[in-house]
Amino acid sequence: EAQVTQNPRYLITVTGKKLTVTCSQNMNHEYMSWYRQDPGLGLRQIYYSMNVEVTDKGDVPEGYKVSRKEKRNFPLILESPSPNQTSLYFCASSLGGGAHEQYFGPGTRLTVT
Amino acid sequence: GQNIDQPTEMTATEGAIVQINCTYQTSGFNGLFWYQQHAGEAPTFLSYNVLDGLEEKGRFSSFLSRSKGYSYLLLKELQMKDSASYLCAVRGPSGTYKYIFGTGTRLKVLA
Repeated sequence: EAQVTQNPRYLITVTGKKLTVTCSQNMNHEYMSWYRQDPGLGLRQIYYSMNVEVTDKGDVPEGYKVSRKEKRNFPLILESPSPNQTSLYFCASSLGGGAHEQYFGPGTRLTVT
Repeated sequence: GQNIDQPTEMTATEGAIVQINCTYQTSGFNGLFWYQQHAGEAPTFLSYNVLDGLEEKGRFSSFLSRSKGYSYLLLKELQMKDSASYLCAVRGPSGTYKYIFGTGTRLKVLA
């Protein structure tokens, strides 16, 4: 089944403890992206990647890192999480940057205390 | 600055037609998208416009006017399962693949 998977789905952590949220897609998509969704603010793009080793900042990249070493994986790294990074995170992929449709993963609910 | 405006909430009756508006001011334009998001779920793609005019897809249609920075999503023959949030998003500027999303319109369909 074609899909985008994220792990973990839920995470509660403490301030400053490094964490990684994994994202993987099995559709051979070139474009991948990370978003966070907060009440009243909507979806905001954190980083995106056009292909392996090609990444660029979205609207809210501060406090996050990404890497794209393989086409199928696009992990989101929080080196020193803070409470303001408590949010619902979505990974998405599409065939290419110009493709119309992004496929979203199921989301990761992160709480930083 | 970059801004996308859409109404926060709308209510409509089963079987009716509803129009959800979206206005945008963005630095560059490379396509407008509509996504549907049911509560607790991920967004799913509904429609895409890059040229002015109407795109029809079954019960859903989307319209774009680039000169006015305006789009709408039209939902016909509303069903209870259409109760969801509808997200308007703009991609751009040209040469980048950044997306700006509106905060979404929560649609309630009443029996």
